[in-house]
Amino acid sequence: KNQVEQSPQSLIILEGKNCTLQCNYTVSPFSNLRWYKQDTGRGPVSLTIMTFSENTKSNGRYTATLDADTKQSSLHITASQLSDSASYICVVSVRSNYQLIWGAGTKLIIKP
Amino acid sequence: EAQVTQNPRYLITVTGKKLTVTCSQNMNHEYMSWYRQDPGLGLRQIYYSMNVEVTDKGDVPEGYKVSRKEKRNFPLILESPSPNQTSLYFCASSREGTGIWEQYFGPGTRLTVT
Repeated sequence: KNQVEQSPQSLIILEGKNCTLQCNYTVSPFSNLRWYKQDTGRGPVSLTIMTFSENTKSNGRYTATLDADTKQSSLHITASQLSDSASYICVVSVRSNYQLIWGAGTKLIIKP
Repeated sequence: EAQVTQNPRYLITVTGKKLTVTCSQNMNHEYMSWYRQDPGLGLRQIYYSMNVEVTDKGDVPEGYKVSRKEKRNFPLILESPSPNQTSLYFCASSREGTGIWEQYFGPGTRLTVT
């Protein structure tokens, strides 16, 4: 069964610190992996999209990595800011039908 | 401004009273989709449309209908809402439904069915 699991479920860190969120997937065949940021009560916003051949992609202070062999991805946030408080969702696309498999998200809280 | 709009943003209704949530995009996107989001769960796709007059079921289509008569609009219809359809709904669009096109999401519609 195609699944995306994220950890931790929630995370609290101090402003200015770095953090790393994890995503493990069992999706096959794989097309691409996406990370979204979702502020409370709002629609998700795309951070990165990575294909099979990409193992790192950055978007400002956000850096996503992909290990297609172990089927793992991570999202690293550098020098966190209060505005980074949000849910971060990992999504994997199935190559055969382009269906998107959504993780449940990691809720990140940045404290001043 | 490129955007996906949804209306209404908030809706409280009673069981069995038909309702429609509208969705419109101004980016000339071919692909549109509806999702629902419930606490502790990932987004679940209700219906999607690859182009005008082409719609297909997602993971949780029961109790919902959609239509795609024009490229820009993709309304979600609940013919007889029930309390288990209380949820946060998102409409999304992308240039195409295949490949790695980015999806753009609307602001969400919070529906409560009593």
